[in-house]
Amino acid sequence: DVKVTQSSRYLVKRTGEKVFLECVQDMDHENMFWYRQDPGLGLRLIYFSYDVKMKEKGDIPEGYSVSREKKERFSLILESASTNQTSMYLCASSLGGPNTEAFFGQGTRLTVV
Amino acid sequence: AQKITQTQPGMFVQEKEAVTLDCTYDTSDPSYGLFWYKQPSSGEMIFLIYQGSYDQQNATEGRYSLNFQKARKSANLVISASQLGDSAMYFCAMREDHYGGSQGNLIFGKGTKLSVKP
Repeated sequence: DVKVTQSSRYLVKRTGEKVFLECVQDMDHENMFWYRQDPGLGLRLIYFSYDVKMKEKGDIPEGYSVSREKKERFSLILESASTNQTSMYLCASSLGGPNTEAFFGQGTRLTVV
Repeated sequence: AQKITQTQPGMFVQEKEAVTLDCTYDTSDPSYGLFWYKQPSSGEMIFLIYQGSYDQQNATEGRYSLNFQKARKSANLVISASQLGDSAMYFCAMREDHYGGSQGNLIFGKGTKLSVKP
């Protein structure tokens, strides 16, 4: 079974802190995604990576950056956390191409105080 | 403009009845894929069904079927014989096939909350 693992289920950080959310997948997938999920807004794509060191901005990249130094790991970085970044963050991975489903991690509920 | 539109924020269905969840999409790519995911209250995202843009027949997976109308750009999910365990958020998603660069960015709609009544 494909496994996508996010480093934390719950996280509480202070405003202004630098926050790292880690995601690891074990199926050699090319594509990895970071989404943010808020009630009534669905899943919004923050960043997408289609290869090591390759990334594309999604719909809401402001305030975030990403790192993909190894194929299996995709990190989301909040450079200076703010309260409006309190949300559920979901990582996903998939093979390339439009016909392959994405597999999701369990999510990280981040609260910025 | 939204690429994926789900117009029903919430729906109710009686147990054992069928229900249709709407999804329309917008793309100019000839090659794309459409997906439905289920998210129960536990938060996990569960893949349900896939439809390719070139598929001639509607996809089916057990009690799930996808009513694909390409000309209307709609990909509605039909759940037959609803069960209490079907109560969840349902998300429609699309992947476009961009050549020469990234492949398969995955975009979601805002979701529909389905509640199954006993």
